[in-house]
Amino acid sequence: QLQLQESGPGLVKPSETLSLTCIVSGGSIRSSDYSWVWIRQPPGKGLEWIGSIFHSGSTYYNPSLKSRITISVDTSKNQFSLRLSSVTAADTAVYFCARHVTVFGVLYYMDVWGEGTTVTVSS
Amino acid sequence: EIVLTQSPAILSVSPGERATLSCRASQSISNNLAWYQQKPGQAPRLLIYGASTRATGIPARFSGSGSGTEFTLTISSLQSEDFAVYYCHQYNNWPPGATFGQGTKVEIK
Repeated sequence: QLQLQESGPGLVKPSETLSLTCIVSGGSIRSSDYSWVWIRQPPGKGLEWIGSIFHSGSTYYNPSLKSRITISVDTSKNQFSLRLSSVTAADTAVYFCARHVTVFGVLYYMDVWGEGTTVTVSS
Repeated sequence: EIVLTQSPAILSVSPGERATLSCRASQSISNNLAWYQQKPGQAPRLLIYGASTRATGIPARFSGSGSGTEFTLTISSLQSEDFAVYYCHQYNNWPPGATFGQGTKVEIK
């Protein structure tokens, strides 16, 4: 059964870069039936899509975050990563990675989620 | 950008009663809508996709309906473990990307 696990620092200083990794176990990240996604949830608020990456490496980013985001995939390690630069307190959130069902290159729903990791931006 | 509006924001229901949650899209999204359940401190869990198809392992008391711009999630007889926040998510419009509703909290009356 596929499992996702986020990892990375829980505290990041303002203006620095947030880096998170999602390790995929129990299945291959190379499958063309799936893509991979980062989603975040600020404290007490709803879900915000950050960006998605196909197994090929093609990416879609949230336009409001696009200038600061890089999502990459490492098929040799079966993991994908998020980098968010120039962070501020507004980037404090729980960050989830998830699997995105993909059909003929079209992104559908998220069927498997990691448990999430809390990132606080503070000096 | 497609906007999803969920109502009500908070729904107070007694155990055993029916709960009806609404999600309205700002433009037609066909049946490209999913519902997720999120309990405190947990990740969201996929309940429904394609507006009406239950995900693997989801009890039959959860049902989804609708198409176009109006969607409903119904929980036929609320159990204690169903008190949570529910989000709808549209995946009809790529790019620019996924959008979620703001959530409906189902609480014990």
